[in-house]
Amino acid sequence: AQSVTQLGSHVSVSEGALVLLRCNYSSSVPPYLFWYVQYPNQGLQLLLKYTSAATLVKGINGFEAEFKKSETSFHLTKPSAHMSDAAEYFCALNTGFQKLVFGTGTRLLVSP
Amino acid sequence: DVKVTQSSRYLVKRTGEKVFLECVQDMDHENMFWYRQDPGLGLRLIYFSYDVKMKEKGDIPEGYSVSREKKERFSLILESASTNQTSMYLCASSLRIGWLAGYNEQFFGPGTRLTVL
Repeated sequence: AQSVTQLGSHVSVSEGALVLLRCNYSSSVPPYLFWYVQYPNQGLQLLLKYTSAATLVKGINGFEAEFKKSETSFHLTKPSAHMSDAAEYFCALNTGFQKLVFGTGTRLLVSP
Repeated sequence: DVKVTQSSRYLVKRTGEKVFLECVQDMDHENMFWYRQDPGLGLRLIYFSYDVKMKEKGDIPEGYSVSREKKERFSLILESASTNQTSMYLCASSLRIGWLAGYNEQFFGPGTRLTVL
């Protein structure tokens, strides 16, 4: 079965610090992977997606993620956190048939 | 600008009531989805539709039904609302480029926070 695991339900960083949100996947076929962000009281917005064209994917708002097949990982990073990055982040997996499998989410807290 | 809209942001209903949640997209997408979001559980798929009048069960369809009479509109129906259906409900849509294609992103509406008393 396809699944996504996000380590850490909450991650706290200081403004200006590195952001690292972890995502590991399980899939029997080559995966398509996504990171979404959800700001308070809003729907989900796509940050970036991996579709096998390049292993390092750049997204909006300075975020990027690297696909590592050997580690079955797709971790999200940002070099310098901003207060506006405080939100919940979801990793998702799509192995075809149009459906996404989501992780349980990681809430990013940014302190001044 | 792509847009998925949901009929209500907040809704309060009583146990046993029939509840309709409406979702409209203006992107001419074939696929539409209903999820519920609960703390610590992420998003779970209730139903999805890949064409008008077509529907497929997701992971948690019990207690729900759906209707898709027009391409742009996808309705979620709680036949008899219960307190355990108190949740955030999110609608999404996506293109269908090839049945097996998995790279299409889903576009989400703002969500409806439903409280069942």
